[in-house]
Amino acid sequence: ETGVTQTPRHLVMGMTNKKSLKCEQHLGHNAMYWYKQSAKKPLELMFVYNFKEQTENNSVPSRFSPECPNSSHLFLHLHTLQPEDSALYLCASSQRGGRETQYFGPGTRLLVL
Amino acid sequence: DAKTTQPPSMDCAEGRAANLPCNHSTISGNEYVYWYRQIHSQGPQYIIHGLKNNETNEMASLIITEDRKSSTLILPHATLRDTAVYYCIVGLIIQGAQKLVFGQGTRLTINP
Repeated sequence: ETGVTQTPRHLVMGMTNKKSLKCEQHLGHNAMYWYKQSAKKPLELMFVYNFKEQTENNSVPSRFSPECPNSSHLFLHLHTLQPEDSALYLCASSQRGGRETQYFGPGTRLLVL
Repeated sequence: DAKTTQPPSMDCAEGRAANLPCNHSTISGNEYVYWYRQIHSQGPQYIIHGLKNNETNEMASLIITEDRKSSTLILPHATLRDTAVYYCIVGLIIQGAQKLVFGQGTRLTINP
């Protein structure tokens, strides 16, 4: 238990569906991150939020839309995804300042049909 | 971004020390070396980090060479639960938040 929770843990969706992934951290951190891990590939950083402000968008397609309403919650809204978007989506948080470690949630395993 | 190079896989006997090497020859002076591990289908777990000096915590030791171009993670008494993919990462700081660039890592298998 890392103090970072993600829901749902598993999600199956069609290409025309709209769904959202939720991440919540109970650590008092103020930086949050979305990562994508496809099969046999390294983790890829998608988005970084620092004090609710997006500071990094790593060339992610617009069908992925992040939202950070406060420093404890992070969402990833999904719309018209492709089968190649099937992956493990991981959320992480850290304390602003940079040197502190990131704490990862368990991930949401997404399958796009 | 500073890149890291790790062997793709290693084996170690249970109870022995596991020594995982990492090369980061392009690391710059203010970049830290981080080690994380990922047990199958779970989120990565922080292990240790360091800048110049060797570091030790309850999980592992980190040995960084004097020129900072390489490091070694040491698990002193490996157990079966240490079987995982281990990532050596050079961390960048962007506007106060970390940017961790994960590579393929080393798949460490602890054998009974």
